[in-house]
Amino acid sequence: AQTVTQSQPEMSVQEAETVTLSCTYDTSENNYYLFWYKQPPSRQMILVIRQEAYKQQNATENRFSVNFQKAAKSFSLKISDSQLGDTAMYFCAFMNGETSGSRLTFGEGTQLTVNP
Amino acid sequence: KAGVTQTPRYLIKTRGQQVTLSCSPISGHRSVSWYQQTPGQGLQFLFEYFSETQRNKGNFPGRFSGRQFSNSRSEMNVSTLELGDSALYLCASRSVGGLETQYFGPGTRLLVL
Repeated sequence: AQTVTQSQPEMSVQEAETVTLSCTYDTSENNYYLFWYKQPPSRQMILVIRQEAYKQQNATENRFSVNFQKAAKSFSLKISDSQLGDTAMYFCAFMNGETSGSRLTFGEGTQLTVNP
Repeated sequence: KAGVTQTPRYLIKTRGQQVTLSCSPISGHRSVSWYQQTPGQGLQFLFEYFSETQRNKGNFPGRFSGRQFSNSRSEMNVSTLELGDSALYLCASRSVGGLETQYFGPGTRLLVL
């Protein structure tokens, strides 16, 4: 079974600064997908960024980028130029690509607070 | 395109009752998955439906069941409710064969008294 670990329960950053959230995972599979979702106080789960394991290039989406280290099974999220609206719970998630299905395995989450 | 919708948004039930939650996926999405979110257990996968068939199932008791209709809308049912079933229930839809990304609805908050 796959496991996802987020070792930082809480983090804070000043507005306009950069912050990195950590995520490690454990799997024996070779084909899989990794995601970062954010969940603001509204509880709506919003996709931030996704990464296919077969792609060596790190994914980027505007101010959000990842550092994907497949051998180390590490998938960190970097948020540049942090904004107050980035305050949310961030979840790292894993999905197996070998078997059919959409099961996501989530980490425990990191509560990020952006301070003015 | 409209996003994933879930009804009702809030629900209060008492122990022993049963409840049905509904999820309408994004138009064209045929896969619907359900997740339970609690402070103690985090986010846990319940089950997935694709083309009206259950394709995956998480580690939950048989009191939790679901189904999917021909228009891809899905329902989940919890029978004989227990206090521990109080949670946020999230539904997610995916366009199978396309980008492997699930899009979530706003969730249904269930409180069992």
